[in-house]
Amino acid sequence: EIVLTQSPGTLSLSPGESATLSCRASQTVGGNYIAWYQQKGGQPPKLLIYGASRRAPGIADRFSGSGSETDFSLTISGLEPEDFAVYVCQFHGPALTFGGGTTVEIK
Amino acid sequence: QVQLEQSGPQLKKPGASVRISCMTSGFTFTSYTLHWLRQAPGQKFEWLGWVNPGNGNTKYSQKFQARVTITADTSANTVHMDLTSLQSQDTAVYFCARDGPWYGSELDFWGQGTLVTVSS
Repeated sequence: EIVLTQSPGTLSLSPGESATLSCRASQTVGGNYIAWYQQKGGQPPKLLIYGASRRAPGIADRFSGSGSETDFSLTISGLEPEDFAVYVCQFHGPALTFGGGTTVEIK
Repeated sequence: QVQLEQSGPQLKKPGASVRISCMTSGFTFTSYTLHWLRQAPGQKFEWLGWVNPGNGNTKYSQKFQARVTITADTSANTVHMDLTSLQSQDTAVYFCARDGPWYGSELDFWGQGTLVTVSS
């Protein structure tokens, strides 16, 4: 099973700043099968990125994903007020696993 | 538009079983794999398994294999998840989610979640 570790646990930033979130895998992720989701309190997650770097339909281009092998990241370039939320990475291979999440909070 | 509508919250006693339903619309039911996941308070998401409504094939997480059954009703465009031998650790919000059309197992649409509380 691929274990995903996200860091930092919490990121405190101001609107307009950029955020870089990390997701580290316990072993090489074949095919770059990493997805990123945004989750706001009481709601289901929203798919942002799949295949490590491909934006899902309708997702703003300030969200970008990158990385390979064991190290992946999500960058939000210029935080908008609606971007303050929890972000979760996921291995979307044969047995799905998830990271513990990073909270992006308003500083 | 794609919609996944889950059944309502449930309170169960330890040792009982639970069935949660996920009614889908807005897409061809038999063309997409559907997953079940859960999120316990303060815990990571856990994947329970999936069903392919097109052929009825299923795959389950090793952790839940002995206790979970996922079925698809093609006449109602609905998937069901049964979880047996419930314990307090099974208290969580359970979600159904659709496989994306790209790589597979990226989850592009989700149900609203169903809270299952296990308590004596």
